[in-house]
Amino acid sequence: EAAVTQSPRSKVAVTGGKVTLSCHQTNNHDYMYWYRQDTGHGLRLIHYSYVADSTEKGDIPDGYKASRPSQENFSLILELASLSQTAVYFCASSDAGAYEQYFGPGTRLTVL
Amino acid sequence: GDSVTQTEGQVALSEEDFLTIHCNYSASGYPTLFWYVQYPGEGPQLLFRASRDKEKGSSRGFEATYDKGTTSFHLRKASVQESDSAVYYCALIPSSSFSKLVFGQGTSLSVVP
Repeated sequence: EAAVTQSPRSKVAVTGGKVTLSCHQTNNHDYMYWYRQDTGHGLRLIHYSYVADSTEKGDIPDGYKASRPSQENFSLILELASLSQTAVYFCASSDAGAYEQYFGPGTRLTVL
Repeated sequence: GDSVTQTEGQVALSEEDFLTIHCNYSASGYPTLFWYVQYPGEGPQLLFRASRDKEKGSSRGFEATYDKGTTSFHLRKASVQESDSAVYYCALIPSSSFSKLVFGQGTSLSVVP
């Protein structure tokens, strides 16, 4: 069965610190995505990637970087974490040209 | 830009009640429309999708019909159960996009026995 895992599942970070969220998929999918979830906003796309070693900006990329070192792994990096980045972050993967995205269980990030 | 609007932020029902969650979209051409469901502690998962005008998507007793005339894709279920309690997201992929999902705000459904 398709599987997307995320680590850590929850994290508390300090303002100004660096945070790295990791995502691993065993679906053999080309596309991977990072979303953030906020009450009242649904899910919004931060970065995505359609091939290893390449990333693209989504709708809300400011304050975030992404890294895709291999087909299976996709990281989201907050170089200088801020209070406004407190949210739940979801990673997803999909086949090229496919409609269905498979989501991981999410990472709850709290920035203090 | 492309957008999805869900009217209800929260819905509270009793078991066997009829459910309607309203979804309206704004996008050019013929976007593909989706309903995703998210259970507590999990990521969203696809409920069903529709790609053409008048096409009906359905799964697990839920259904929605693509209506280009009213730009709507309302979710309905005739008789809800407690296990249907979850957050429901309407979403679209624009016809011009490779696979870029645009989500609505989400509707939290709570069903009591």
